[in-house]
Amino acid sequence: DIQMTQSPSFLSASVGERVTLSCKASQNINKYLDWYQQKLGEAPKLLIYNTNNLHTGIPSRFSGSGSGTDYTLTISSLQPEDVATYFCLQRNSWPFTFGSGTKLEIK
Amino acid sequence: EVQLVETGGGLVQPGKSLKLTCATSGFTFSTAWMHWVRQSPDKRLEWIARIKDKSNNYATDYVESVKGRFTISRDDSKSSVYLQMNSLKEEDTATYYCTLRDYWGQGVMVTVSS
Repeated sequence: DIQMTQSPSFLSASVGERVTLSCKASQNINKYLDWYQQKLGEAPKLLIYNTNNLHTGIPSRFSGSGSGTDYTLTISSLQPEDVATYFCLQRNSWPFTFGSGTKLEIK
Repeated sequence: EVQLVETGGGLVQPGKSLKLTCATSGFTFSTAWMHWVRQSPDKRLEWIARIKDKSNNYATDYVESVKGRFTISRDDSKSSVYLQMNSLKEEDTATYYCTLRDYWGQGVMVTVSS
């Protein structure tokens, strides 16, 4: 199975700050990388699919990039409502596998 | 509006069975690939099963940890997908989500404990 490693595990940042979350795959996943946001008590919500495609209704302050084994989620200007845990997911091969998440809080 | 509603969760003893149902609406179910994902109490997410549509012969895939114990199935006439869970183990304790990938249900809790 492909292992997904997210860093950092925890991030505290200020409102308005640019935030970068990382996800590294154990092998090339050909940009089949999605990002999910999960707020407390809610189901995961798709933010970005296939590395850099914003899902419907997601604010443009979210963006994704990467290739090969290394991927990034960027929030250009952190907002209070962005407090959540963020998970990456690889869909290059079955079984799909998630990273262990980055918990994002406001400083 | 796309809706996915999971039911059937609860407390069950190790070795017993449970069947989850996901009732859906708001999209063309018959051509959708449907999935089950679970989240353990430590918040780790695991994509456990998928079922393809009729044009793909309703093919199924499972993660190794549930293979041989869980069965995913669907009823296109009812726009529903199911997860039959047999020989349950304590490590199957989790919130189970039905998902289209871009839309998710609210989840249903399954607790396996004696």
